[in-house]
Amino acid sequence: EPEVTQTPSHQVTQMGQEVILRCVPISNHLYFYWYRQILGQKVEFLVSFYNNEISEKSEIFDDQFSVERPDGSNFTLKIRSTKLEDSAMYFCASTSYNEQFFGPGTRLTVL
Amino acid sequence: LAKTTQPISMDSYEGQEVNITCSHNNIATNDYITWYQQFPSQGPRFIIQGYKTKVTNEVASLFIPADRKSSTLSLPRVSLSDTAVYYCLVGYNQAGTALIFGKGTTLSVSS
Repeated sequence: EPEVTQTPSHQVTQMGQEVILRCVPISNHLYFYWYRQILGQKVEFLVSFYNNEISEKSEIFDDQFSVERPDGSNFTLKIRSTKLEDSAMYFCASTSYNEQFFGPGTRLTVL
Repeated sequence: LAKTTQPISMDSYEGQEVNITCSHNNIATNDYITWYQQFPSQGPRFIIQGYKTKVTNEVASLFIPADRKSSTLSLPRVSLSDTAVYYCLVGYNQAGTALIFGKGTTLSVSS
């Protein structure tokens, strides 16, 4: 069964550093998303991406965040200057219709 | 977006049927009801979706009364591996639509 993959599984970084989280969506899917989940809290929508541009973003997705589809398979989330409060699980998802398929997540720890 | 209300937690024993009810009094005409499941340290996983009446798949059943102001997810004969958080989401059924998660219902299954 096709699945969304994410790398790395765990990223530790120093406050102020840039991080790039990578995702490989399911190959025939057209819509891509990033969500995050701070430990013990609910899953929060960050951004959706379609046809090489952002289609929707939340208030969390400020100028520190950016997304890119650099090639035909990868979808990345960049955090330009990490803050302590960016520590969370980051989930990538993709869909072709309505059911969103989530990846296993990247645990980001900002020290 | 329709606000949803579901129990914070539920306990059950292996082999029992579990019913989780979600209230969504302000559901719109075009909204669908979707349930996701999340295991610890994993991304959410689609379980079932419906618009009205009853929907059944290999995992669960979804009961939606005629007024659509609530819905019930039914898990037959739960096992320990069904211990997870279950989310009820209500929204427009279209690719690209952001999923807005609440706190969900934490189901604990004991032996």
